[in-house]
Amino acid sequence: DSGVTQTPKHLITATGQRVTLRCSPRSGDLSVYWYQQSLDQGLQFLIQYYNGEERAKGNILERFSAQQFPDLHSELNLSSLELGDSALYFCASSSTGQGVEQYFGPGTRLTVT
Amino acid sequence: ELKVEQNPLFLSMQEGKNYTIYCNYSTTSDRLYWYRQDPGKSLESLFVLLSNGAVKQEGRLMASLDTKARLSTLHITAAVHDLSATYFCAVDRTSGSRLTFGEGTQLTVNP
Repeated sequence: DSGVTQTPKHLITATGQRVTLRCSPRSGDLSVYWYQQSLDQGLQFLIQYYNGEERAKGNILERFSAQQFPDLHSELNLSSLELGDSALYFCASSSTGQGVEQYFGPGTRLTVT
Repeated sequence: ELKVEQNPLFLSMQEGKNYTIYCNYSTTSDRLYWYRQDPGKSLESLFVLLSNGAVKQEGRLMASLDTKARLSTLHITAAVHDLSATYFCAVDRTSGSRLTFGEGTQLTVNP
């Protein structure tokens, strides 16, 4: 158990809908990262927040957005969902924002039908 | 753009045998990570390699880093079935913190 929690574990929704994925980092960690894992794209970095502020952006679609709240939990919002958004979404956390080990949560499996 | 390549992508080996997984990356980085993933599960951190020449060992796994060659290896000694999983290497660019992952090596250890 890495200490990173994610909810929900599974999510099934229809195309065009909007969902919110939630992540709580390890106690004391200030940085949160979101990754997407799919069969065709592999593991891809989406976005990073550090102490409430966006730090880095990767291959995140405009339909997706994220934020980190004052209590350091983070939410990833996915809207206008398409079949291709079906994937495993991981949240990771680290103590600082750079050059340290990232600990991954259990993931949220999103299925878009 | 940073690219990370692993080979082989699929590895089937017998218990008791040795093998090496290779991870090449395209731009300068001093930090390389190895993760293990069981089917449908999260990524478990195995090794963090932070400098040229770093070598770390845990049980039957040993990882090394050559930053000049931009190469890391994960060596498996006397494989056992419990090592069956997918192994990912990931590189942390020196200018940032995002991890760029390789494609993963799916390892199957047969009795």
